Amino acid sequence: SQKIEQNSEALNIQEGKTATLTCNYTNYSPAYLQWYRQDPGRGPVFLLLIRENEKEKRKERLKVTFDTTLKQSLFHITASQPADSATYLCALPLDSNYQLIWGAGTKLIIKP
Amino acid sequence: EAGVTQFPSHSVIEKGQTVTLRCDPISGHDNLYWYRRVMGKEIKFLLHFVKESKQDESGMPNNRFLAERTGGTYSTLKVQPAELEDSGVYFCASSQRFGGELFFGEGSRLTVL
Repeated sequence: SQKIEQNSEALNIQEGKTATLTCNYTNYSPAYLQWYRQDPGRGPVFLLLIRENEKEKRKERLKVTFDTTLKQSLFHITASQPADSATYLCALPLDSNYQLIWGAGTKLIIKP
Repeated sequence: EAGVTQFPSHSVIEKGQTVTLRCDPISGHDNLYWYRRVMGKEIKFLLHFVKESKQDESGMPNNRFLAERTGGTYSTLKVQPAELEDSGVYFCASSQRFGGELFFGEGSRLTVL
């Protein structure tokens, strides 16, 4: 069955440094991958979508890579700020119905 | 532009009772999704509407769950009768395009005692 793995341990990063989060998946080849941010008690907020034919995508301080050979996506936040502290989720479509399956998320803590 | 709104934000009911959750998607979004997150687990898909039609309901756990989308606008998710394992946060999301980014509501937290 399809599975998505994100580091379940919280990631502690010093303010100003680059935070890198990992999303690994198995057993299938998604057409795209999405990253969301979720704050406590709130719904997920879309950040970026990267397609299978794209190696890298950027949006302001955010950068996402997608390696379909390794079956891995990396999510980078450069010049991190305490306001970037949140849980970051990756999601991929399950076959042609575009039903998303989700990783459990990685909690990112940016320390001032 | 108003975002996706969900009601209630929190509901506490006894096992065996009925609860109805409501979702108002972003105006003009034909695609409406229900997801659920149980404590400590990942978000799981429940079902997907395109306008008033159920496109995919493969994630609905059992026949105690009934989702409707009247006239292709708001949607309701009814749980009847509720069981302890139904506790969790129910998220509604909408999208303009099939396969595009999802806009989520803040969720309805359901606690079944």
